[in-house]
Amino acid sequence: KNQVEQSPQSLIILEGKNCTLQCNYTVSPFSNLRWYKQDTGRGPVSLTIMTFSENTKSNGRYTATLDADTKQSSLHITASQLSDSASYICVVSAEGTTDSWGKLQFGAGTQVVVTP
Amino acid sequence: NAGVTQTPKFRILKIGQSMTLQCTQDMNHNYMYWYRQDPGMGLKLIYYSVGAGITDKGEVPNGYNVSRSTTEDFPLRLELAAPSQTSVYFCASSWVLSAKRGYEQYFGPGTRLTVT
Repeated sequence: KNQVEQSPQSLIILEGKNCTLQCNYTVSPFSNLRWYKQDTGRGPVSLTIMTFSENTKSNGRYTATLDADTKQSSLHITASQLSDSASYICVVSAEGTTDSWGKLQFGAGTQVVVTP
Repeated sequence: NAGVTQTPKFRILKIGQSMTLQCTQDMNHNYMYWYRQDPGMGLKLIYYSVGAGITDKGEVPNGYNVSRSTTEDFPLRLELAAPSQTSVYFCASSWVLSAKRGYEQYFGPGTRLTVT
């Protein structure tokens, strides 16, 4: 069973508009949550990393929020640009020993298409 | 810096053939990983390594082998290729940010493999 669920699966937005992507997780005990951006044909690139005590983190026009109590996170894209067209992946890491640092739980991603 | 490089970019294999996917990083990272990404699914960890000479299985190791003789290189070997191994393969490396924040991962561009 996937421990990280993302919604919507895909969305289309007009250039200049805002959008919000959702991530729900069941990974426990929680260590950190990150959002990656993956352009078509490329590897994922980290946007933000949040720990339990951080409930919001920004990276330019990207703002991530985290509610560790409800185990939900969101990624908000402001004033979207054509270059924002990509898959956005939510990744959750469980707390544990050093070995577990290598074992992240990946969501399936939300495919965002920004149209002119 | 080149970051994480992978070769080849594309490959078509016949069932039963074998091949090695190459991965090299020039950031002196101790941690390295191999993932596969199937359409509509999250990345799945195949193998990972916490340093030269040390490797461990991830979530989906069957049909693959790895070795880590140097810090820089982490090749992935496919023996007796099967259609189920058709996927996009990503290599990644990382360094530790902190015990809570985990580590920053850097991904290669991926290898698209088709087994027919």
